[in-house]
Amino acid sequence: DAKTTQPTSMDCAEGRAANLPCNHSTISGNEYVYWYRQIHSQGPQYIIHGLKNNETNEMASLIITEDRKSSTLILPHATLRDTAVYYCIVRVATGNQFYFGTGTSLTVIP
Amino acid sequence: EAGVVQSPRYKIIEKKQPVAFWCNPISGHNTLYWYLQNLGQGPELLIRYENEEAVDDSQLPKDRFSAERLKGVDSTLKIQPAELGDSAVYLCASSPGFRAVGELFFGEGSRLTVL
Repeated sequence: DAKTTQPTSMDCAEGRAANLPCNHSTISGNEYVYWYRQIHSQGPQYIIHGLKNNETNEMASLIITEDRKSSTLILPHATLRDTAVYYCIVRVATGNQFYFGTGTSLTVIP
Repeated sequence: EAGVVQSPRYKIIEKKQPVAFWCNPISGHNTLYWYLQNLGQGPELLIRYENEEAVDDSQLPKDRFSAERLKGVDSTLKIQPAELGDSAVYLCASSPGFRAVGELFFGEGSRLTVL
């Protein structure tokens, strides 16, 4: 599985968009990009995933570059409850391997 | 729909004692995972089951850790004997199965403290 690189930490003002980058330069054509977040003392929670096209759901948007070597998770209007560690993962479509890195610790500031 | 259920939520034991964690995955989910999470780190895979079969246990310290998933549903992770370095959160997760591009669903974890 391709590895991912994320910044260790980020801050974002409440109400503003939070843009979390992820580098996955060795991603293969059949690997999906997944995003999870983990709020303190809870298990990781699924946010969104995508292959090539940009994706949006009720929680976030996922922007994947055309060459698929990087992606950005966008929380459009960050709230204090979005303070968490965000993990970017690449996963083979037909495989069940999910390997987590150390993620990005996002702090939403009032 | 019930989520992934783990117990106990917290466990404190003395070193050299045994401990066991239980996981009940989401109904119908064929794939079950046990992850270890140390403080400040991301989850690390210990073992993955496809139904009853352990298909990836390369990271499981087999001298003291064991796991089973009888009947392909519930799973138990055991540590015997526990060491100080085993203090961590043990996460269980499940997913629909091999051919589904589905997400991983996690339980809340079992926090182990070894004194």
